[in-house]
Amino acid sequence: DSGVTQTPKHLITATGQRVTLRCSPRSGDLSVYWYQQSLDQGLQFLIQYYNGEERAKGNILERFSAQQFPDLHSELNLSSLELGDSALYFCASTGGAGAFGDTQYFGPGTRLTVL
Amino acid sequence: AQKITQTQPGMFVQEKEAVTLDCTYDTSDQSYGLFWYKQPSSGEMIFLIYQGSYDEQNATEGRYSLNFQKARKSANLVISASQLGDSAMYFCAMREGGTPDKLIFGTGTRLQVFP
Repeated sequence: DSGVTQTPKHLITATGQRVTLRCSPRSGDLSVYWYQQSLDQGLQFLIQYYNGEERAKGNILERFSAQQFPDLHSELNLSSLELGDSALYFCASTGGAGAFGDTQYFGPGTRLTVL
Repeated sequence: AQKITQTQPGMFVQEKEAVTLDCTYDTSDQSYGLFWYKQPSSGEMIFLIYQGSYDEQNATEGRYSLNFQKARKSANLVISASQLGDSAMYFCAMREGGTPDKLIFGTGTRLQVFP
């Protein structure tokens, strides 16, 4: 158990809908990262938050947004869902702002299926 | 551009034998970290081992060791005394210093351990 929690574990929804994925980092960790794992794209970085502020952005679609709250949990919002958004979404956390040696610990993931 | 290459899509190993999973990387940074993660069929990403670019000794964690050859830009994972529970996908990842702060993943190697 990494100490990172994600809910829900599975999510099935229809095209055009909006969903929210939730992540709680390990106790004491200030940075939260979101990744998407799909069959065609592999594991891709989406976005990072550090202590409530957006710190880095990756290949995140405009239909997707995220935030980190004062209690440090984070939410990833996916809207106008398309079939291609079906994937495993991971949240990871580290203690610091992002030194290259900081290990990112991953949550169990949320498997999103868009029908 | 930073890149991780895993050339072995699948590997087989007999229980109790050692196996090496290959990983090469490309970066122009002097400061970087290399990570290996295990993803069992249940889907979670489990951190295994870390090697920093300035570390002079190869990292070891229990049955896992990292064969770090900086001049060749390789960071191979060695699993000794394989167990049936080692059957999983294994991902090599790299993180550079600076921003954007993210992990770059390889495409993974599926390891199957047979009795």
